[in-house]
Amino acid sequence: AQTVTQSQPEMSVQEAETVTLSCTYDTSENNYYLFWYKQPPSRQMILVIRQEAYKQQNATENRFSVNFQKAAKSFSLKISDSQLGDTAMYFCAFMNFQGAQKLVFGQGTRLTINP
Amino acid sequence: NAGVMQNPRHLVRRRGQEARLRCSPMKGHSHVYWYRQLPEEGLKFMVYLQKENIIDESGMPKERFSAEFPKEGPSILRIQQVVRGDSAAYFCASSPRTGVANYGYTFGSGTRLTVV
Repeated sequence: AQTVTQSQPEMSVQEAETVTLSCTYDTSENNYYLFWYKQPPSRQMILVIRQEAYKQQNATENRFSVNFQKAAKSFSLKISDSQLGDTAMYFCAFMNFQGAQKLVFGQGTRLTINP
Repeated sequence: NAGVMQNPRHLVRRRGQEARLRCSPMKGHSHVYWYRQLPEEGLKFMVYLQKENIIDESGMPKERFSAEFPKEGPSILRIQQVVRGDSAAYFCASSPRTGVANYGYTFGSGTRLTVV
């Protein structure tokens, strides 16, 4: 069974700084997807960024980028020029390429952006 | 195009009562997933349904929990004889189909169930 581990329960940075959230996962599959989701206090699950394991290029979405290290099974999220609205819980998640395509989530990192 | 609609947003039940959580998928979506989020934890998969079929229920507790997605109407997650440990946020997500191009499906805002 796949597992996802986020080793940082909480992080806090100043506005405009860069912050990196860590995620490692365990799988025997070769093809899969990885995701970062944001959950603000409203509880809505918002997709931040996704990565296909067969792509070597790291995904980027505006201020958000990932460092995908397939051999190390590592998938970190970098937030540049952090904003107050980035304050939220962040969840790393894994999805198999085939089958039911259900998400396996990590425990989450609570990120606080301070003014 | 409305997103995934879940209701109620908050639900309070006494121990032993039944809880019914509803999920209306996005228009055109025929696949529904249910997840549970316990306090201070990540979401955990419960069940995956297509219209009139349960495809994967490996995350569902063996007793008291059931789910359906009828041909017409919303998907329903039903919890019988609720206990305090059932208190959690329950999320529904929908997708148009499975396959290579179908990833990162759309979540609803969740139903927070409180058992008193």
